[in-house]
Amino acid sequence: SAVISQKPSRDICQRGTSLTIQCQVDSQVTMMFWYRQQPGQSLTLIATANQGSEATYESGFVIDKFPISRPNLTFSTLTVSNMSPEDSSIYLCSVAGDSPETQYFGPGTRLLVL
Amino acid sequence: AQSVTQLGSHVSVSEGALVLLRCNYSSSVPPYLFWYVQYPNQGLQLLLKYTTGATLVKGINGFEAEFKKSETSFHLTKPSAHMSDAAEYFCAVTQNSGNTPLVFGKGTRLSVIA
Repeated sequence: SAVISQKPSRDICQRGTSLTIQCQVDSQVTMMFWYRQQPGQSLTLIATANQGSEATYESGFVIDKFPISRPNLTFSTLTVSNMSPEDSSIYLCSVAGDSPETQYFGPGTRLLVL
Repeated sequence: AQSVTQLGSHVSVSEGALVLLRCNYSSSVPPYLFWYVQYPNQGLQLLLKYTTGATLVKGINGFEAEFKKSETSFHLTKPSAHMSDAAEYFCAVTQNSGNTPLVFGKGTRLSVIA
């Protein structure tokens, strides 16, 4: 199994600012995924981050707004840029295990934008 | 493309009654199917998963689900609801090839009435 930690666990930010969320995994993984869960909603995939290549973004998400770094096989960051209240969500990091039947989720970062 | 439909955004049952949460999926390839639970202000917890083999899958906390290919369904059941089962439940699908992310349903909020 994989243990995932995220920092910060929660934050309150002012509109127009940016926040970088860190995701650390206790083992090397190929693929990492970033999801957003808006209040009262389900999880929506933001992007897939593969080490050594540019992240692949889902429809409706762009790199300028959600830049992602993946410097090695155990770490990734997601930045929420130029935040607005609509960005208030839980942001979750996820990794795929050795087989596609196994996915692990971090505890999430709860973001409130005022 | 894969998708998940959860019928009923909110289900309410009496304590001790049967819990039935419905999930239908769409997938052009053999799916892997998951049920996750999210308690208030907590992260996602895997309840159970179907990959291959036996179509009746048993999970934690007395939950089980049956994969019915002919009906493209993966409904979650529990014979007797407990107050502690009150939470948000998410059905998710991924494909059984490669490191692919999960596609989530919109979720079903389960309320248990004493």
